Amino acid sequence: KQEVTQIPAALSVPEGENLVLNCSFTDSAIYNLQWFRQDPGKGLTSLLLIQSSQREQTSGRLNASLDKSSGRSTLYIAASQPGDSATYLCAATGNQFYFGTGTSLTVIP
Amino acid sequence: GAVVSQHPSWVICKSGTSVKIECRSLDFQATTMFWYRQFPKQSLMLMATSNEGSKATYEQGVEKDKFLINHASLTLSTLTVTSAHPEDSSFYICSASFREGSSYNEQFFGPGTRLTVL
Repeated sequence: KQEVTQIPAALSVPEGENLVLNCSFTDSAIYNLQWFRQDPGKGLTSLLLIQSSQREQTSGRLNASLDKSSGRSTLYIAASQPGDSATYLCAATGNQFYFGTGTSLTVIP
Repeated sequence: GAVVSQHPSWVICKSGTSVKIECRSLDFQATTMFWYRQFPKQSLMLMATSNEGSKATYEQGVEKDKFLINHASLTLSTLTVTSAHPEDSSFYICSASFREGSSYNEQFFGPGTRLTVL
């Protein structure tokens, strides 16, 4: 069974810093890897989707990479802002969706 | 991106009553809809996968007679929590997708429904 883990579980950084969130999965037979943002009490917001044939995707200050062979994906956030504070989830998609446990990010003004 | 709505956004009900949650894809036809549940401080957990016109596939440990899922059209899926109890209080989220070949396309998530059972 696919297991998805995220490190660190929580992260606190001062505003303006660049940061990296990590996601690892045990089964490399995935269709795609998605990164989501979850704000308290709200549903998930899809940030980036990387198909299994792709290596990375970029959207604004966000860049996500995928290395299927090593079972890893990273989400890079450039020039962090207080509004980036949220929980970030990755999900590996095979025959179903497997979510990681999330990284709680706090950006301090 | 595509828009998925959920209704209601929150609901409070008495123990023993049934609650229906609607999930709609507003601007695309969703061949597949997923229902998730999230308890406080826990990861999102998939409850069931619903393909239009067929019976939902439930994850292990999810009672299909308690959580009734209907996906009668390509734009609407409903989750009915029957005889709700306080332990059913949770955040329920749906997502919609469509398949291309053997893979799922991007999932689009609804805003979620917070259920509180008194």
